[in-house]
Parts: sequence; C-alpha cells; structure tokens
Amino acid sequence: EDQVTQSPEALRLQEGESSSLNCSYTVSGLRGLFWYRQDPGKGPEFLFTLYSAGEEKEKERLKATLTKKESFLHITAPKPEDSATYLCAARATSGNTPLVFGKGTRLSVIA
Amino acid sequence: ETGVTQSPTHLIKTRGQQVTLRCSSQSGHNTVSWYQQALGQGPQFIFQYYREEENGRGNFPPRFSGLQFPNYSSELNVNALELDDSALYLCASSPQQGSGGRGYTFGSGTRLTVV
Repeated sequence: EDQVTQSPEALRLQEGESSSLNCSYTVSGLRGLFWYRQDPGKGPEFLFTLYSAGEEKEKERLKATLTKKESFLHITAPKPEDSATYLCAARATSGNTPLVFGKGTRLSVIA
Repeated sequence: ETGVTQSPTHLIKTRGQQVTLRCSSQSGHNTVSWYQQALGQGPQFIFQYYREEENGRGNFPPRFSGLQFPNYSSELNVNALELDDSALYLCASSPQQGSGGRGYTFGSGTRLTVV
C-alpha cells in the first residue's frame, strides 16, 4: 500500500532559525513527489514537484530535495509569514493514481 | 487563468441528511478529484472524474457519489450523513488526469459540519 509519513508533526522556530521537514514515502514507482503549503481553512497551495532522486528545487526561502526514500523541505531564515502546514504527497506510476498525502507538518515561526 | 472554485464555503447538516458540494475546475483542466480532510489530517482521496467518467476511487462507501459535467465542473454528493463526515472537502483539478508538473490545483474547500 502506498504510504507517506511526515515528521515532525509540529515545529516551532524562531524567526531566522533554519530547519528541515521530512517526508518518507513508500510507493510502487514514483511518478512525482509534491510539496504543498496549506493555511488554516484553505486548500493546499502548490510549491514543488520532484521526479527523481538527486533533484532539487528552490523558491525564496524554501528548498526541496529528493532521495529514493525521502524528501526534505529546507527552510532557510524563516519569517512569521512562513507559518503554515506543509503537506507532502506522492503519486505512483501505475494507472490513474491519485495523490497520497502525509498528515503534514504544522510550522510556527515566532518573531 | 481562473482557479478552482468551490461552493458553498461552509455548511451545517443534520445526521441522516444528504448534501451536494460543487466545484468549478480551472480553465483547461478536464480532470477533477475530490478529497476529504479531517481536522489535523492530510487529505484522503475520495474519487476522480475524467471526461465525465469516474476513473478512480478511494476507500469510501457508496453513499459518497459524484458527477462531472461537460464543462468539467463537478459535484460531490453524500447521502445518509454521519458525524464522522464532518471535514473539509477539497476539489482539485488537473489537465489530463494529473499529468504536468503542478499536479493538481486545489480549491479552498467546503467545510461540512454534521450535527
């Protein structure tokens, strides 16, 4: 069964304190690994797609990396506006497979 | 480009009632998926529609059903509502069954509360 596990469940950082969020996945062939940001009461907002081990993508203070078993979302010098839940989702290669989500990491950045 | 719009934004229903949620897909997208997100959990896949046909379903009972219309908009219907159906219901659209680097574009969701 395809599965995605995120850690930690919650993370509290001081403004400027860099850290990483982890996403472990088990899927039958990876078509894509997705990162989304979700604000309270809102739908997920697309951040990145990664396709193969070794791939990296960056956007402002965020950088996503991918290995054969895990993905990391690195946050450099975070600001309070980066506070949100970050969701990781995997999509398998077989058939019309949907996104399989982890439970998310709830990030709080304190000024 | 227009995004994904869902209606209503909030809804309160009584256990045993039926509910219909609506979704307009992003322009150019022909695939719509529905997800259920309970509080503190990640979204769970309900089903997917491609060109008006259901072509994928998650582990949800038959009282969860849907439709997709020729303009690719979609409805999610839930019969015999239970308290555990209280959740944020997300609609996501994509071009060609999720192909493309952005995966799925999500709407802001409908918050359903069953009392």
